[in-house]
Amino acid sequence: AQTVTQSQPEMSVQEAETVTLSCTYDTSESNYYLFWYKQPPSRQMILVIRQEAYKQQNATENRFSVNFQKAAKSFSLKISDSQLGDTAMYFCALRGSGAGSYQLTFGKGTKLSVIP
Amino acid sequence: EAGVAQSPRYKIIEKRQSVAFWCNPISGHATLYWYQQILGQGPKLLIQFQNNGVVDDSQLPKDRFSAERLKGVDSTLKIQPAKLEDSAVYLCASSFSPGKAYEQYFGPGTRLTVT
Repeated sequence: AQTVTQSQPEMSVQEAETVTLSCTYDTSESNYYLFWYKQPPSRQMILVIRQEAYKQQNATENRFSVNFQKAAKSFSLKISDSQLGDTAMYFCALRGSGAGSYQLTFGKGTKLSVIP
Repeated sequence: EAGVAQSPRYKIIEKRQSVAFWCNPISGHATLYWYQQILGQGPKLLIQFQNNGVVDDSQLPKDRFSAERLKGVDSTLKIQPAKLEDSAVYLCASSFSPGKAYEQYFGPGTRLTVT
């Protein structure tokens, strides 16, 4: 079974500062994908960044980057130059192969508030 | 490109009543997912379709939940009869293919309140 753990229920950051959200996971597979999704109050889940487990290089997307530590099964998200629009729930997710469906397993989320 | 459409956005029903949710995926997306997101938790997969066939429904409470995707496009999720613990947001998502690398695009969700 796959599990994803986000240990920070809530976090806050000053506008323009940097914040890091933590995520740990467990899977018995060697080939899997990790994702960070953003869910603003409007509820539309949006993909922020993805990481393929077999790639050692950490993924980056503009102000968003990850620190992927495969041996430690850790996958943290760093948001640089935080903006008010970054305020949202952030979910870490793992996609392996469960029951042949490659299902997405989500953590419980971290509520991020960006303070002006 | 139009996104995943869902309706209704909100629904309030009494326990033991029935309810149905509708989802229209992105055009050309063969794979469709229904998730249940209880307040304070991440989404949990209920059922996955590949075209009009079920790939995974291992977490669907089949005694009260049913879903169909008859023509391989739109999908309907039904709850009959509803229980208080079914109060949640029901998210529909679609992807071009079921493979691990293919991004899932989510709809805005339907918030169900069972009283």
